[in-house]
Amino acid sequence: DIQMTQTPSSLSASVGDRVTIACRTSQNVDIYVNWYQQRPGEVPKLLVHSASSLFSEVPSRVSGSGSGTDFTLTISSLQPEDSATYYCQQSYTKPTFGQGTKVEI
Amino acid sequence: EVHLLESGGDLAQPGGSLRLSCVTSGFTFSEYAMSWVRQAPGKGLEFVASVFGSGDDTEYADSVKGRFTISKDHSKNTLNLQMNSLRAEDTAAYYCARWLGPQSVYAYWGQGTLVTVSS
Repeated sequence: DIQMTQTPSSLSASVGDRVTIACRTSQNVDIYVNWYQQRPGEVPKLLVHSASSLFSEVPSRVSGSGSGTDFTLTISSLQPEDSATYYCQQSYTKPTFGQGTKVEI
Repeated sequence: EVHLLESGGDLAQPGGSLRLSCVTSGFTFSEYAMSWVRQAPGKGLEFVASVFGSGDDTEYADSVKGRFTISKDHSKNTLNLQMNSLRAEDTAAYYCARWLGPQSVYAYWGQGTLVTVSS
């Protein structure tokens, strides 16, 4: 199975900050990485698919980039509602998830 | 609008069985692959199983292969997960999720159903 390594595992930032979360895969997955947000007590929500395509109704301050083995999720101006855990996931082969990055504001 | 509603979660004994269901609406059930994804208490997300379109093809996590069976009931637009030989490590919230397209991108999620395996 493809391993997903997210960094950092947690971070603390302020409203308005630019935040970047990294995800590295153990082998080349082309662009097939997706990002999810899970707020406390809520169901995961798809943010970005295929490395950089924003899902519907996701605010434009969220963006994704990368290909091959290195990917990033960026929130350009952090808002209070962005307090959540973020997961990357590869859909190149049998799905695997990163361990999550907890973002505190 | 896509709706997914899971049921069937319960307390089960180690070695026991449970059957989870996910009733769907708002899309053509036969046209989309679907998956079960679980989350142990305080832990991250873990892929469990997928079934593709018509239901003829399936895929499982190594941790559940041979114990769990995923299936589609097209007459009821329902996704099922038969869970046998349950272990303590199967304790988790189980979510059904619909794919966005041909890749395992989980675009829509149910609210989840809790499975607890304990004696």
